[in-house]
Amino acid sequence: GENVEQHPSTLSVQEGDSAVIKCTYSDSASNYFPWYKQELGKRPQLIIDIRSNVGEKKDQRIAVTLNKTAKHFSLHITETQPEDSAVYFCAAYPGGGTASKLTFGTGTRLQVTL
Amino acid sequence: GAVVSQHPSWVICKSGTSVKIECRSLDFQATTMFWYRQFPKQSLMLMATSNEGSKATYEQGVEKDKFLINHASLTLSTLTVTSAHPEDSSFYICSARLAGGLMIAKNIQYFGAGTRLSVL
Repeated sequence: GENVEQHPSTLSVQEGDSAVIKCTYSDSASNYFPWYKQELGKRPQLIIDIRSNVGEKKDQRIAVTLNKTAKHFSLHITETQPEDSAVYFCAAYPGGGTASKLTFGTGTRLQVTL
Repeated sequence: GAVVSQHPSWVICKSGTSVKIECRSLDFQATTMFWYRQFPKQSLMLMATSNEGSKATYEQGVEKDKFLINHASLTLSTLTVTSAHPEDSSFYICSARLAGGLMIAKNIQYFGAGTRLSVL
């Protein structure tokens, strides 16, 4: 099955700096890669996703890049703000039918300091 | 975006009782719903995949008789923790995946707000 590794596990940046979180996946058939943000005690919120037919996607201060050859994808947050502090999870989806499911990374705890 | 409602948000119960958690997709139909368990400071651990009208598929190590899942309609799935014990205390989160729709929306999962279960 799919295996997703995520690094780093914790990340501390100063407000205004950029943050990068990296994930690798094992199943070359995976074709959908969402990123979720989870604040303490709350639901994971989809913040951005990318499909295997594109290499990069951007939404304001957030961008995701995908390298299918190397089987890794990254989340980039620019001009970080304190409200960006949360746990971020990457995930990979192998496609297929209703039996298919997301495989999540282990999460990155991002702390944006003033 | 699509909304997934999960109730209750918090429940405290005595050891040995059963607890039912509901997950509803409010503005879309979900052929497939997922149930996760999350321990403090850890990732989401998939417990089972629930498909409307059929039996749930449980992940390895998850007791199907302990965690009963019912997905009777395209908008509702329930998880019942039977004879709950303190070790079942955890944060349970459901997720719903869009059925059909545009390719741009395919495979997207939306999460409920979670249920914090405390078993005394």
